Amino acid sequence: ILNVEQSPQSLHVQEGDSTNFTCSFPSSNFYALHWYRWETAKSPEALFVMTLNGDEKKKGRISATLNTKEGYSYLYIKGSQPEDSATYLCASPLGNYGQNFVFGPGTRLSVLP
Amino acid sequence: ETGVTQTPRHLVMGMTNKKSLKCEQHLGHNAMYWYKQSAKKPLELMFVYSLEERVENNSVPSRFSPECPNSSHLFLHLHTLQPEDSALYLCASSQDMGLAETQYFGPGTRLLVL
Repeated sequence: ILNVEQSPQSLHVQEGDSTNFTCSFPSSNFYALHWYRWETAKSPEALFVMTLNGDEKKKGRISATLNTKEGYSYLYIKGSQPEDSATYLCASPLGNYGQNFVFGPGTRLSVLP
Repeated sequence: ETGVTQTPRHLVMGMTNKKSLKCEQHLGHNAMYWYKQSAKKPLELMFVYSLEERVENNSVPSRFSPECPNSSHLFLHLHTLQPEDSALYLCASSQDMGLAETQYFGPGTRLLVL
C-alpha cells in the first residue's frame, strides 16, 4: 500500500447498532495515524492520534485500535446514535520523513433513527 | 469551536480575478496548513508553515501563493485560477509541526471558479 485507504466508502446502520470501519496505510516508515470526524457543514474534528503498535484509544462510545506491522487501524462505534452520522477520516504522515500528511477518502456513516 | 476561523466562507471568482483567502487561529499554535478538497477526492495538503516559515509545498501550481505574516494568520492568494481549482479550501493549525500533532481545522472556504 502506497497510500491511505479506507473501507467501506459508506455505511448505513440503525440507531443502537455497533459498527466498525478500516483504515489501511503503508506499514513501512510509520509515524502516526490520525482519526478525524467530519460532520456536514462543520470543521473536521480530531478524534485520536495513535503512534504505538497495539495502541487502543477510547472516547465515549468510539474506540480505535492500531496495527502498525500490518498497516491498519479500526474505528469502532458502540451503540450508534444519529449524531454519530459523519464522515470519518484517517490520515498518516507518509514519505521518508513523514513530510507528506495524507488523508484517506473517508467512510461516510449514516445512522438511521 | 476549534478556534480556527476562515474568511470568506464562500467565494465565486472569474479566471482573471485575484482574490485572497484568510485564516486566523486563536490557539497560540506555531504551525499552519492549507488543504484542498476537490469533489470526490480526499483532502490534499497544499502548504505547511512552521513559525512563519514555509516548510512544505506539495507541487502546488504557482497560481496559488501562500503568505504567513505571523503565527496567527495565514493567507492563500489566488490569481488566474482555472475552473478545476473549484474546491473546498481548509486551513488548519497545530501546536507544532510534529507528525503526531493534532491539527485543528477551520470551517473552510468553498471556492467556485467560473
